[in-house]
Amino acid sequence: NAGVTQTPKFRVLKTGQSMTLLCAQDMNHEYMYWYRQDPGMGLRLIHYSVGEGTTAKGEVPDGYNVSRLKKQNFLLGLESAAPSQTSVYFCASSPLRTSGGPSTDTQYFGPGTRLTVL
Amino acid sequence: AQSVTQLDSQVPVFEEAPVELRCNYSSSVSVYLFWYVQYPNQGLQLLLKYLSGSTLVKGINGFEAEFNKSQTSFHLRKPSVHISDTAEYFCAVSGMDSSYKLIFGSGTRLLVRP
Repeated sequence: NAGVTQTPKFRVLKTGQSMTLLCAQDMNHEYMYWYRQDPGMGLRLIHYSVGEGTTAKGEVPDGYNVSRLKKQNFLLGLESAAPSQTSVYFCASSPLRTSGGPSTDTQYFGPGTRLTVL
Repeated sequence: AQSVTQLDSQVPVFEEAPVELRCNYSSSVSVYLFWYVQYPNQGLQLLLKYLSGSTLVKGINGFEAEFNKSQTSFHLRKPSVHISDTAEYFCAVSGMDSSYKLIFGSGTRLLVRP
């Protein structure tokens, strides 16, 4: 089991360029999430998905788009990168439960992608 | 809505000493509480979580945390730390009304010195 993997691990972009970050999980989890981590601010939720073909906005969605065409993959896109998007991006997933709801579930995190926008 | 405050950005401690990492939260609804650990250059992994029942929760690597509803706190403790415990620790909360969202604190860097 690879768990949650993220591609790429590092990337440097120029302002205005676009890119896609790929998250893949092999645990058959229903829910997937994208976070950004900035110094002194913890992790903030960008977008999340509660199942294949569905996505929703999190706390800081502006400037990002996502897609979940396959259950195991969750893509995060930056259409026109800005220096304010310099951050470490983490993907996470959690399983579907029949009771207690997803808010009780452990989230499993990938190793992160360090993005610098010049 | 929920929020989490971790007052200490860094906690230095000597090896084999006890440590407490503080976490306070605010919420208009009942909450579930979590502690995650992030080792250098890695993603986060769950240390422990409080869902219900006993307010003292034991986690991995000898850590434990106590939920105090009246003080809206969920402090993390370990009686004797090791060098390998050097990491960043995040407290997080999710509301029972929700939602799939975890709200994280800003993190506390535990630095264990020999």
